[in-house]
Amino acid sequence: GAVVSQHPSWVICKSGTSVKIECRSLDFQATTMFWYRQFPKQSLMLMATSNEGSKATYEQGVEKDKFLINHASLTLSTLTVTSAHPEDSSFYICSADRGDTEAFFGQGTRLTVV
Amino acid sequence: AQSVTQPDIHITVSEGASLELRCNYSYGATPYLFWYVQSPGQGLQLLLKYFSGDTLVQGIKGFEAEFKRSQSSFNLRKPSVHWSDAAEYFCAVKNDMRFGAGTRLTVKP
Repeated sequence: GAVVSQHPSWVICKSGTSVKIECRSLDFQATTMFWYRQFPKQSLMLMATSNEGSKATYEQGVEKDKFLINHASLTLSTLTVTSAHPEDSSFYICSADRGDTEAFFGQGTRLTVV
Repeated sequence: AQSVTQPDIHITVSEGASLELRCNYSYGATPYLFWYVQSPGQGLQLLLKYFSGDTLVQGIKGFEAEFKRSQSSFNLRKPSVHWSDAAEYFCAVKNDMRFGAGTRLTVKP
């Protein structure tokens, strides 16, 4: 149990376009979901925390208009990278917390903007 | 400020040698603590976790970690490292799911 599915696993898009990444908790309800960004050889940087039905809380320095997060249901959160540019190329990871113990992680999405 | 610190960016050990990766936290109360491992280009795999109780916790792949409240530490250990253990290791805290900077482990033959 406690599986988190992240889709797509990789995506290539043109500069200026938008990309949506989905994070689904398949067998539990996630009260909170977290979105991270990871550059090569670096740690996971928390971008935002989202709770179902409410606005996401963004970390300092993360542009909320650039990285749109929607947590519309207890099993789905989406991250949309708007008007993507090459500097947005990164590995994006989500995690889902059901409120008891650990959070469970998706396998990540490799975004390349060309 | 709340933080998780992994002071060692890169550690090299010989295969068969013992390993200790350091993690220190700075939180008001005892947080839930985790160690994850990540191979290149892959997602995270949970090695072990500490919530309460016995301060020595056992994880997968022969890893263990000891919570020391007095030192605000949660160091990861393995008595005998295998070449397949080469990866990036991250310490994390549950309160806001923040991660340490990570420690890259290289294993020499």
